[in-house]
Amino acid sequence: KAGVTQTPRYLIKTRGQQVTLSCSPISGHRSVSWYQQTPGQGLQFLFEYFSETQRNKGNFPGRFSGRQFSNSRSEMNVSTLELGDSALYLCASRGGEHYEQYFGPGTRLTVT
Amino acid sequence: AQSVTQLDSQVPVFEEAPVELRCNYSSSVSVYLFWYVQYPNQGLQLLLKYLSGSTLVKGINGFEAEFNKSQTSFHLRKPSVHISDTAEYFCAVSSYTGNQFYFGTGTSLTVIP
Repeated sequence: KAGVTQTPRYLIKTRGQQVTLSCSPISGHRSVSWYQQTPGQGLQFLFEYFSETQRNKGNFPGRFSGRQFSNSRSEMNVSTLELGDSALYLCASRGGEHYEQYFGPGTRLTVT
Repeated sequence: AQSVTQLDSQVPVFEEAPVELRCNYSSSVSVYLFWYVQYPNQGLQLLLKYLSGSTLVKGINGFEAEFNKSQTSFHLRKPSVHISDTAEYFCAVSSYTGNQFYFGTGTSLTVIP
């Protein structure tokens, strides 16, 4: 099976702009989670989508939003970008009976 | 809710020496436990998992971990490390309902030649 794919891999944006990141899960997986990883804060959970519904949400401002499509692909949107949003954004998909997560390579977002 | 504590933020070790990365968890319910590895500029890769049964779990790249319910620990071990094991290691816990993962803050393993 193909792994989790994320596009784009690298992105440079300016403060105030918005950005959309995409994640395609492993075929058959219906759960997609998003994480933000920074050197100072480590891995922080953003949200999880399951069958097109947001099932869990982390402690991030409303500028961070997401959605999931009927084919389980997910997008994450960040509006009004701030310098502190510079991070590696990781997507993980989950399926099967044991709930382990499989991660994509991440999107490196740099806000200038 | 669950939580995970990785007791060491950085672990330097000489090549071919053994290593143990420590992980403790807190939970009021039964959990699944995982170790992930992250190489620079990459995503996380599953090393091993504990679901049930034998408390000694073997994973990829020669790693193993032991689940200790009484001490609520899930320490990762390797008898002889290689330069290529230099990476960030994350311990994670998930409840049986699997609704959410909780990650530790990570341990940076540096293998010294």
